[in-house]
Amino acid sequence: AAGVIQSPRHLIKEKRETATLKCYPIPRHDTVYWYQQGPGQDPQFLISFYEKMQSDKGSIPDRFSAQQFSDYHSELNMSSLELGDSALYFCASSSRQGREKLFFGSGTQLSVL
Amino acid sequence: KQEVTQIPAALSVPEGENLVLNCSFTDSAIYNLQWFRQDPGKGLTSLLLIQSSQREQTSGRLNASLDKSSGRSTLYIAASQPGDSATYLCAADTGRRALTFGSGTRLQVQP
Repeated sequence: AAGVIQSPRHLIKEKRETATLKCYPIPRHDTVYWYQQGPGQDPQFLISFYEKMQSDKGSIPDRFSAQQFSDYHSELNMSSLELGDSALYFCASSSRQGREKLFFGSGTQLSVL
Repeated sequence: KQEVTQIPAALSVPEGENLVLNCSFTDSAIYNLQWFRQDPGKGLTSLLLIQSSQREQTSGRLNASLDKSSGRSTLYIAASQPGDSATYLCAADTGRRALTFGSGTRLQVQP
């Protein structure tokens, strides 16, 4: 069965650079979520989209933005990267506006040097 | 603001034991509660989802219960195996289409 696909798996950036993370949800899922998991920490919700519209916002810095495209894939754009942005970034998708299980991708490991 | 707590933070048991992982949440107005498994450096695998109207869900050797009134959920793992070693996270959905996660229980099953 198709799963949530994230790219790239690993990304190394310098401070003040920009990064773009991509997420391809499970087909026919209508909701996409982004989470950030720092080393040894639990995942923190960043932002979500339902039917290509932003539906909820968590602890996402102003330096980050995200969108969902017509084919339902989503991108998380991160600018002016800081050392503290180093983390595992997960995308998840679900159907029925999130009332069903969330399925997570394998994540993108971002390292900011 | 919803807060989710998991006890214990870490657990080491010999193979074959039955064990219980605990999860508590402060806001009982949840839509559902979900249990996940996470292997080191990997993604989250959904194990069980309990809707607010349900009391428990079962999948193989796993059983999860939910008591909304007391703000608690438990994950019961029967006949534990070394392959069960991982971090187990519970997460509460309070209807904002986002999950609030606990810090997890790191489980080590000794062969």
